[in-house]
Amino acid sequence: AQKITQTQPGMFVQEKEAVTLDCTYDTSDQSYGLFWYKQPSSGEMIFLIYQGSYDEQNATEGRYSLNFQKARKSANLVISASQLGDSAMYFCAMRDKRGKAAGNKLTFGGGTRVLVKP
Amino acid sequence: DVKVTQSSRYLVKRTGEKVFLECVQDMDHENMFWYRQDPGLGLRLIYFSYDVKMKEKGDIPEGYSVSREKKERFSLILESASTNQTSMYLCASSLRVKGGYYQPQHFGDGTRLSIL
Repeated sequence: AQKITQTQPGMFVQEKEAVTLDCTYDTSDQSYGLFWYKQPSSGEMIFLIYQGSYDEQNATEGRYSLNFQKARKSANLVISASQLGDSAMYFCAMRDKRGKAAGNKLTFGGGTRVLVKP
Repeated sequence: DVKVTQSSRYLVKRTGEKVFLECVQDMDHENMFWYRQDPGLGLRLIYFSYDVKMKEKGDIPEGYSVSREKKERFSLILESASTNQTSMYLCASSLRVKGGYYQPQHFGDGTRLSIL
């Protein structure tokens, strides 16, 4: 069975500093995909970044980058130059290939709440 | 832009009532999902539908059923609501995975359901 673990329930970060959100995963698949979503207080889930297990480069998307360490089964999100609008819940997720929905479903971690201080 | 619309942001119901949560998407997506979100547990999949009238149980289907009579609409039904079903419910939709490429899930704003 797949499992996603986010060990940091919450953290503070100073505005303009970088922050790293931890995510470790457990899977027996050789091919898999990892995602990060942001959920502001308004409730909507916003897709941030995707990393495929066979991608040679770590994914980057603007101020978001993914520190992918395959041997350690970790996919940490790095947010550079934090802004007040980055205050939100952040979820790590993995593609779930079980059942008829092969690859269409996601398994989520418990989330990390980030609060950016001015 | 993809729009996933959930019928209510907040809903209060009584124990034993039959509760319907509605979700509509406007991008002709094949896949639709219902998740439940609880503090510390992240999002857990209740049910998934990959086509009209087709459904698959997720990780926590007990106490819930779903209906997908039209491609754009996916309903979550609490047959007899209980207090332990008080939670945030999120609907999502996506295109089917094609050629191994990931199709992101697009989420609605969520329905915060309280069962008294």
